Amino acid sequence: RKEVEQDPGPFNVPEGATVAFNCTYSNSASQSFFWYRQDCRKEPKLLMSVYSSGNEDGRFTAQLNRASQYISLLIRDSKLSDSATYLCVVNPYNFNKFYFGSGTKLNVKP
Amino acid sequence: DTEVTQTPKHLVMGMTNKKSLKCEQHMGHRAMYWYKQKAKKPPELMFVYSYEKLSINESVPSRFSPECPNSSLLNLHLHALQPEDSALYLCASSQPDRPNYEQYFGPGTRLTVT
Repeated sequence: RKEVEQDPGPFNVPEGATVAFNCTYSNSASQSFFWYRQDCRKEPKLLMSVYSSGNEDGRFTAQLNRASQYISLLIRDSKLSDSATYLCVVNPYNFNKFYFGSGTKLNVKP
Repeated sequence: DTEVTQTPKHLVMGMTNKKSLKCEQHMGHRAMYWYKQKAKKPPELMFVYSYEKLSINESVPSRFSPECPNSSLLNLHLHALQPEDSALYLCASSQPDRPNYEQYFGPGTRLTVT
């Protein structure tokens, strides 16, 4: 079983739509969770860390459900510039190793 | 400053060449990473250095040889590579053993092996 699993998409949505991605992780002891964004042929960039209480940054909301072992990312009012691949990353922190999901591709269309 | 730098940006090498990739960070991070990324795939971990010591080698072929000369620098020495080694090579840094501490990536070196 993979450490981290994501729906690869693609998610094709119109501008202004709300879109949600989920990601499940297998290690119940995992402590740190992140969403990264990666544009084509660029490096992954940290979008947001995911905290137990959930957190919001502008149009982006991240939530953690420890009981079901998943994290989610909600994007409201999608912009064309949100088109990218979104990577779910989990770190059990006692191993200095980050586990990546396969990435979910988002295409926002005019 | 959350910058990780990598040189060169692009590299074309023959299968008999020896070359090196370089990575530098000045965030005081004590964990540094090499990843390999193929198109439409997530980054694949190769090596982790923690406090300048190699702590993880993900069974990488010996034609890839990492080196961490000091806490700010990370090198990846390449020798006798194969065409299938062509990929984007990403360096990253973080703080070891700290929960909720994110990882920062450099822009990568796009390697083509001919």
